[in-house]
Amino acid sequence: AQSVTQLDSQVPVFEEAPVELRCNYSSSVSVYLFWYVQYPNQGLQLLLKYLSGSTLVKGINGFEAEFNKSQTSFHLRKPSVHISDTAEYFCAVSDPNTGGFKTIFGAGTRLFVKA
Amino acid sequence: SQTIHQWPATLVQPVGSPLSLECTVEGTSNPNLYWYRQAAGRGLQLLFYSVGIGQISSEVPQNLSASRPQDRQFILSSKKLLLSDSGFYLCAWSANGGGAGSPLHFGNGTRLTVT
Repeated sequence: AQSVTQLDSQVPVFEEAPVELRCNYSSSVSVYLFWYVQYPNQGLQLLLKYLSGSTLVKGINGFEAEFNKSQTSFHLRKPSVHISDTAEYFCAVSDPNTGGFKTIFGAGTRLFVKA
Repeated sequence: SQTIHQWPATLVQPVGSPLSLECTVEGTSNPNLYWYRQAAGRGLQLLFYSVGIGQISSEVPQNLSASRPQDRQFILSSKKLLLSDSGFYLCAWSANGGGAGSPLHFGNGTRLTVT
């Protein structure tokens, strides 16, 4: 079965500093990868997704992620964070062979941006 | 544009009482619909998904059930709530036929507390 591991449950960082949120998935087959963001008491919003092609994917709000097949990783990065980036971030994987109905989510990483 | 409405936003119910959470989607036809439950530090757990009216797939056996009486309406129910049913419930939709690469679009969630 697919699984997603987000290696850090919480990441504190100062405003304007770079940040990397780590995600590893377990799969020996091709998968689709996603990052979602959740602000307090809200649903999740899509940040970016990797389906195929270039391994560097750019998303909204200045975020980007790099797909690394050999390391089965899909780390999320931002070169300079803002206070407004404080939120919980979820990495997710979807298996094309299951029709896409069973997206598997990681446990989430809570990003705290400090002034 | 597509929108998803979920209500109520918060709910406090006693153990043993019934539950009905409702979700509706606007601006799209024949969407795939999902119910997820989010527990703190544990990511999102898929409870049910539906590819059409009256078609429900259950992912986790429990005392919850789901129904889809109309194309864009998805209801989560229980006859008797348990303490362990407390959590944050999220409804989501994805484009029908979009496959595994089609992202999920979430409502703002219902925070259920069973006392």
